[in-house]
Amino acid sequence: QSVLTQPPSASGTPGQRVTISCSGSSSNIGSNYVYWYQQFPGAAPKFLIYRNNQRPSGVPDRFSGSKSGTSASLAISGLRSEDEADYYCAAWDDSLSGVFGGGTKLTVL
Amino acid sequence: EVQLVQSGAEVKKPGESLRISCKGSGYSFPYYWIGWVRQMPGKGLEWMGIIYPGDSDTRYSPSFQGQVTISADKSISTAYLQWSSLKASDTAMYYCARAPQLWELPYYWGQGTLVTVSS
Repeated sequence: QSVLTQPPSASGTPGQRVTISCSGSSSNIGSNYVYWYQQFPGAAPKFLIYRNNQRPSGVPDRFSGSKSGTSASLAISGLRSEDEADYYCAAWDDSLSGVFGGGTKLTVL
Repeated sequence: EVQLVQSGAEVKKPGESLRISCKGSGYSFPYYWIGWVRQMPGKGLEWMGIIYPGDSDTRYSPSFQGQVTISADKSISTAYLQWSSLKASDTAMYYCARAPQLWELPYYWGQGTLVTVSS
């Protein structure tokens, strides 16, 4: 059972906008930054969003993050087939440990 | 360029000990936290713990406290994850990853080390 809650799956058609939610608590998302990672099969995770809504260089602006209270979301606009991957939210917890969501498998129909 | 290069895949028997490594380059190794993350086959990411190589300050996830040992040798820019007695349930991919500060999650990740424990 993951500390952060994500839907197990999401889907969309090319060009569509998709959002993935992430729910936590006051000890993690509510008081710390949220991060998002993208993982392709057989590959290491790649960081996509840091500090709630910041994109590292090289990440397209089609990807955006937001946070409100104890929840966060990742939005992908202009969906492309190459966006098909697993997406994980994560945050630091006040118990001095990182915590992850269970992951969301994004399918591009 | 920041790089984290992990040691190669391991196949071990239950009860054996193991230490895997993660070598950092392209940055000042002692001054960034190195975290370890487990991914069991077909499952999600799990936080194991984190170490500051500068002074070896280490914090473990409650789920992994006492199950593994995290260490680092700043003189050779390498962090380690160690088991004293492996179990079949330790079979997983293990990633090291660099975080800028203790209360932040990692930005840069190693390529992963696959550990298989089987009799």
